[in-house]
Amino acid sequence: DTGVSQDPRHKITKRGQNVTFRCDPISEHNRLYWYRQTLGQGPEFLTYFQNEAQLEKSRLLSDRFSAERPKGSFSTLEIQRTEQGDSAMYLCASSLSKGINSPLHFGNGTRLTVT
Amino acid sequence: GQQVMQIPQYQHVQEGEDFTTYCNSSTTLSNIQWYKQRPGGHPVFLIQLVKSGEVKKQKRLTFQFGEAKKNSSLHITATQTTDVGTYFCAGPENSGGSNYKLTFGKGTLLTVNP
Repeated sequence: DTGVSQDPRHKITKRGQNVTFRCDPISEHNRLYWYRQTLGQGPEFLTYFQNEAQLEKSRLLSDRFSAERPKGSFSTLEIQRTEQGDSAMYLCASSLSKGINSPLHFGNGTRLTVT
Repeated sequence: GQQVMQIPQYQHVQEGEDFTTYCNSSTTLSNIQWYKQRPGGHPVFLIQLVKSGEVKKQKRLTFQFGEAKKNSSLHITATQTTDVGTYFCAGPENSGGSNYKLTFGKGTLLTVNP
């Protein structure tokens, strides 16, 4: 078990630029989640995949955000035309779909700073 | 939508003192999970409670799930400096039992003075 891996760890970008983050889940996990966390807050749900299917996307997520999980393995999260309000820690998590007993395993996150 | 609230937001204790954080949900939960996030780290799963009135212990940590399955608590006995971090509770938005979409509370930041 090598854990959930996220890349990059840090990203500084200028407002208006596009950014893409990658997440490699634990290999046998079929569920993958993206969360966003700002200072002093708990993780906020963004989107969820079961295998390659994106089953839910938060209503809070604007159309500038898109996520993919081709082949049900790694996932990417793209933010287009970044805004300063997008600055946050983006956390990826994975889990097994074993009923209710499937805790989330989080990666170390990608910290995005939009200047 | 579902709301998960935690109190207190911050707690500073002397090493050896006890600590408790409380979690309340606006809806009945099928289960509740607790996570710990060390400063600069990522949330790490601690435990899941499923049954009404359930109590689970992990060494100095005691977790409770309320009878109505709308509240929970985490109690740490005789805190140590290694307990420092933010403790989050999280409940599934889908009351059918799947935890595919967890709503997290804002967390309680615990600091311990050695």
